[in-house]
This record gives sequence, structure tokens and C-alpha cells, in this order.
Amino acid sequence: QVQVVESGGGVVQPGTSLRLSCAASGFVFSRYGMHWVRQAPGKGLEWAASVSLDGSNKYYAKSVEGRFTISRDNSNNLLYLDMNSLRAEDTAVYFCARDPSPIRPYYFDSWGRGTLVTVSS
Amino acid sequence: EIVMTQSPATLSVSPGERATLSCRASQSVSSNLAWYQQKPGQAPRLLIYAASTRATDIPARFSGSGSGTDFTLTISSLQSEDFAVYYCQQYNDWPPLTFGGGTKVAIK
Repeated sequence: QVQVVESGGGVVQPGTSLRLSCAASGFVFSRYGMHWVRQAPGKGLEWAASVSLDGSNKYYAKSVEGRFTISRDNSNNLLYLDMNSLRAEDTAVYFCARDPSPIRPYYFDSWGRGTLVTVSS
Repeated sequence: EIVMTQSPATLSVSPGERATLSCRASQSVSSNLAWYQQKPGQAPRLLIYAASTRATDIPARFSGSGSGTDFTLTISSLQSEDFAVYYCQQYNDWPPLTFGGGTKVAIK
């Protein structure tokens, strides 16, 4: 069945970097757009970044633009989020999510369980 | 940026009763709206897309309606497993893709 599993979260200091990974299985990864969506503790959902099928188009929320980079490795069914200059307000559970549209960002039809990133000194 | 506003923030309902959740967009999103359910400690689950189309394996007691700026998610007869937080999300105008703040459906 469709499965996405995030990894790479942890506790980091402000100003440092972290890379999140998402391993996909059960579907043809290269045929789907992919996203990162985050949720701060006790808060709602916030879309963070999207990448197109082949990785050529990338979109970011203003809150992360210039600091985060989304990328994908279609040969190994992996999605990444490189996070630089981390701030306390980046503390959240980060979900990897699949988009059913091959054309442009739509919605999220499969989600991972998330990985927690805590930015604290 | 399109702002999505959900109401009420908390809805207290007895099992077996109907629940009606609202979502309003700051400008028209046509029918490009999705609904999600999230239980504590779990990932969100897609319920509805295109404003009114149920996702795979979603029970018929969940229904969505609306277009333009005003949308409704109705749960016809609440089951114990339906007590959760529900989010709407627009995908008409992006970036960014935007979510509402959520409605918590609690046991009355």
C-alpha cells in the first residue's frame, strides 16, 4: 500500500541546519508531486514546500523561503527537506505528503506520521 | 494569500447526532477545497476533495458541499471514531496552499 515515512528530526540549536528525509513506497514516486507540511505543537497545519514530479518546479511558504530547500531523488523514491538557519518558530512536526495531481499542487492524499524538529538552545 | 476561516473552533456533539462544520475563504476558490481529519498524535487523513468528492474508503456519513467562498462538511451521524480535529484547505490559488485553523469536534 501507499506509504511515506519521514526521518531526520531531532533537537537542534537556533541557526543550525538539519535535513529531513521521506522514503516512499507502494506507488510510482516519479508520477506524483510531493509536499512538506508542518504543525507546531498544539497548532494547526501549515504547508511549507512543494516539488513537482521531476524536481524542476519548487514552491515555498514565505516563512521558509530562502532557508529551506525541497528536493527529490526519483531513482531511490526519496524526498528531502534541507533546513538552514533554523529558528525557534520552526519547531514542529514535519509531515511528508503526496499530491495526487501530476500537473500542479493540489491537495494531500497520503501522509506520513511525521518527524519532530525542535529548535532550542 | 487566501485566508481560510473555520467555525466554530469547537463543536460539542453527542454520538449519533449531526455535525456541521463551516469553512470560509477570503476570496473565491471555486471548488478547489479539501477536508482532512486529524486525531491526536496521528497524521491528517484526506476526507473530501473538490469540495464534495469523498476520498477512497471514506464512509458515506461524511459529505462536503459549497463552492466559491463558503463550504460545509457534514457528518450525518457521529460515531465515536469521528471525534477529532477537522481542517479545510484551498488549492485554487497558490503558493501558498492554505489551511483553515481547524474545528475540534468534541463529545458532548
